[in-house]
Amino acid sequence: DIQMTQSPSSLSASIGDRVTITCRASQSISSYLNWYQQKPGKAPKLLIYAASSLQSGVPSRFSGSGSGTDFTLTISSLQPEDFATYYCQQSFTTPGFGQGTRVEIK
Amino acid sequence: QVQLQESGPGLVKPSETLSLTCTVSSGSISGFYWSWIRQPPGKGLDWIGYVYFSGSTSYNPSLKSRVTISVDTSRNQFSLKLSSVTAADTAVYYCARHGPNNWEFDYWGQGTLVTVSS
Repeated sequence: DIQMTQSPSSLSASIGDRVTITCRASQSISSYLNWYQQKPGKAPKLLIYAASSLQSGVPSRFSGSGSGTDFTLTISSLQPEDFATYYCQQSFTTPGFGQGTRVEIK
Repeated sequence: QVQLQESGPGLVKPSETLSLTCTVSSGSISGFYWSWIRQPPGKGLDWIGYVYFSGSTSYNPSLKSRVTISVDTSRNQFSLKLSSVTAADTAVYYCARHGPNNWEFDYWGQGTLVTVSS
């Protein structure tokens, strides 16, 4: 089993801040890493696939980077609609998710 | 735009079998992998298993002994059965499609809450 560990588990930030969330895999997963945003009561929404490819329709303030075991999701300028929980997911083997990072308003 | 919709009982008794169906619309079930994912209240996402349109499957080892996922291409549906449920199986259950790029989950159902209680 590949374990996915996100940090931090939660963070507080202000509108306009640059926010970075990290995800670490317990073994190399190449670029088989995807990022999702989930708002309360809603299904997760795909933001980034293949570590750095922006899903169609997703604002360009979201970006992803990394390969191997260490990955990053960056929101360049936090907007009110970005307060949510973010999950990474590896697709190198049978799917597995990180535990989530809650982004809250400071 | 592909749409997925879960359906099934919202309340299941302990020791019984949870059964859910996902109906795919505005797109074909053929050619793709389809998964079930669950989320206990207030917790993270947990992958249950997937089915290919051909019928081949793979399950989370932690649930494998209790899970069956099947596909009905004629109805554009796939289904989940989870046997011998306990309160720990109470969760929102999502169906989702594996996308063509990186096996990402590109389309999701809205989710359905299943409560296990007598």
